[in-house]
Amino acid sequence: KAGVTQTPRYLIKTRGQQVTLSCSPISGHRSVSWYQQTPGQGLQFLFEYFSETQRNKGNFPGRFSGRQFSNSRSEMNVSTLELGDSALYLCASSNDGGRAADTQYFGPGTRLTVL
Amino acid sequence: TQLLEQSPQFLSIQEGENLTVYCNSSSVFSSLQWYRQEPGEGPVLLVTVVTGGEVKKLKRLTFQFGDARKDSSLHITAAQPGDTGLYLCAGVWAGNMLTFGGGTRLMVKP
Repeated sequence: KAGVTQTPRYLIKTRGQQVTLSCSPISGHRSVSWYQQTPGQGLQFLFEYFSETQRNKGNFPGRFSGRQFSNSRSEMNVSTLELGDSALYLCASSNDGGRAADTQYFGPGTRLTVL
Repeated sequence: TQLLEQSPQFLSIQEGENLTVYCNSSSVFSSLQWYRQEPGEGPVLLVTVVTGGEVKKLKRLTFQFGDARKDSSLHITAAQPGDTGLYLCAGVWAGNMLTFGGGTRLMVKP
């Protein structure tokens, strides 16, 4: 099986712009989660989608949003970019059965730089 | 807010040495996971511990979950350069929500 893929791998934007990142989960996986990784804050949970519905949400402002399509692919959008949004954005998928200890498989991430 | 404190933040050792990484929480998690992340890649799951007092071994890596399920440790015996990377603990709660510790960056010198 192919792993989790994320596009693009690298992105440079300027303050005030918006950006959309894409994640294709492992085939058959229905849960997709998004995380932000920065040197200062580490890895932080953004949100999780399951069957096209947001199931959990982390503590991030409304500028961060996401969605999931019927084929489980997911996108996340950040509007009105700020310098502090520069980070590695990671997507993880799991063959979720509602169990808390399901294995999540992470993609390589999208490195976003905001200038 | 459930926080995970991980220590040490950085560790630089010689090949063959032993090391232990600690992960402490102010709360009880249903389970705890350990990941390793290499540059340019996402974290890769090493182990999940679920039961208080549980010990799991993965070759030279030993993982322990505290009796009260609020802390965990990762012990590496006879470290090798291939063990170099960022080690992350993560508490599992509310489905697939993971709360990560700050990470331990390990460098093993030949």
